[in-house]
Amino acid sequence: ETGVTQTPRHLVMGMTNKKSLKCEQHLGHNAMYWYKQSAKKPLELMFVYNFKEQTENNSVPSRFSPECPNSSHLFLHLHTLQPEDSALYLCASSGGSSGKANEQFFGPGTRLTVL
Amino acid sequence: AQSVTQPDIHITVSEGASLELRCNYSYGATPYLFWYVQSPGQGLQLLLKYFSGDTLVQGIKGFEAEFKRSQSSFNLRKPSVHWSDAAEYFCAVGGQNQGGKLIFGQGTELSVKP
Repeated sequence: ETGVTQTPRHLVMGMTNKKSLKCEQHLGHNAMYWYKQSAKKPLELMFVYNFKEQTENNSVPSRFSPECPNSSHLFLHLHTLQPEDSALYLCASSGGSSGKANEQFFGPGTRLTVL
Repeated sequence: AQSVTQPDIHITVSEGASLELRCNYSYGATPYLFWYVQSPGQGLQLLLKYFSGDTLVQGIKGFEAEFKRSQSSFNLRKPSVHWSDAAEYFCAVGGQNQGGKLIFGQGTELSVKP
């Protein structure tokens, strides 16, 4: 596997379910990101992790719980979601310094539908 | 405040015609600038980037962009559009003190007519 991978690619869940999204990067990067992309809305940055430490939580509701066990893996745990949480969830990673630290590589996303 | 504006929500061009997608940014320091492309249901793919140096940068798939500091712009161009270029295009800005974070524009959806 190369680049950034995300599983599952599609997920349908009820409002009372608990599920997790997984992201893995094979690029040796030290930073990882979760974004939410809803229809007709700009990308929303949710969380940022640098060297496994959370450095940004963009006022995300607590029903979204991130976990970063190491620099290569990032999870997003979901519980008691709402229908408005249905969206494409994108993971990205970046590494290096200066401009390279900003050069983010994206996974294919998980299309989440909350019923 | 830092921001990125893509004035055109949707553009339609004929196949073989030239393309220019506009991007204006507001950023207090030296910006790092990026263009990404997204096909439906997919992630974002990096087309090109500008960190410093030559203000005309070349990217993949025949795209180029020009950084104009005086106009705070980083417009994306392609001399001849192919049907496969139909997608959504995002401009983004980052910087030295952003901790790797990018600020994205709202995106421009490109349609290509035969």
